[in-house]
Amino acid sequence: AQSVTQLDSQVPVFEEAPVELRCNYSSSVSVYLFWYVQYPNQGLQLLLKYLSGSTLVKGINGFEAEFNKSQTSFHLRKPSVHISDTAEYFCAVSEDSGAGSYQLTFGKGTKLSVIP
Amino acid sequence: DAGVIQSPRHEVTEMGQEVTLRCKPISGHNSLFWYRQTMMRGLELLIYFNNNVPIDDSGMPEDRFSAKMPNASFSTLKIQPSEPRDSAVYFCASSPNNEPDTQYFGPGTRLTVL
Repeated sequence: AQSVTQLDSQVPVFEEAPVELRCNYSSSVSVYLFWYVQYPNQGLQLLLKYLSGSTLVKGINGFEAEFNKSQTSFHLRKPSVHISDTAEYFCAVSEDSGAGSYQLTFGKGTKLSVIP
Repeated sequence: DAGVIQSPRHEVTEMGQEVTLRCKPISGHNSLFWYRQTMMRGLELLIYFNNNVPIDDSGMPEDRFSAKMPNASFSTLKIQPSEPRDSAVYFCASSPNNEPDTQYFGPGTRLTVL
């Protein structure tokens, strides 16, 4: 069975400072990894995904993540955050169900608060 | 293009009442997912459909919950009878054939059972 651990439930950071949101996963097979963002009172929106290939993945809004197989991690980073990045961020892992769809398992989320 | 549409956006009901949540996936998407989000348990997958067929309903909490997808453009999640512990935000998501790894989420239905 697959699982996702987001080590920090809340991360406060000053505007224009760098941020890293940590994510570790466990799975017995090859996985696909995702980061989603949820703004207040909205649904989740895909930030970026790793399926294969380069371990450094770039997403929307200046975010990037690096897949590290040996450490089973997929940490999310941004070199300089903006007030508008205040949101909750979810790491997710997926295995191909074999039925043509991918079942996602989400972490508990990390609330990023950007301080002016 | 319109995104995933969910209705109602908010629902307040009393314990014991039947609740029906509705979802219209993005046109052309062939997989549909129902999630529940609570503070305690985070985001949980309840059930998902592929080409209107339920594939995995192991996340459905109990027999009070049921989901249907009568056609490619509509799905319902029904709770009967509802209980206070069902209070949560329920999300519907869909994914397309050519990008099955990416799910597009609706805005959610916030359910409060008194």
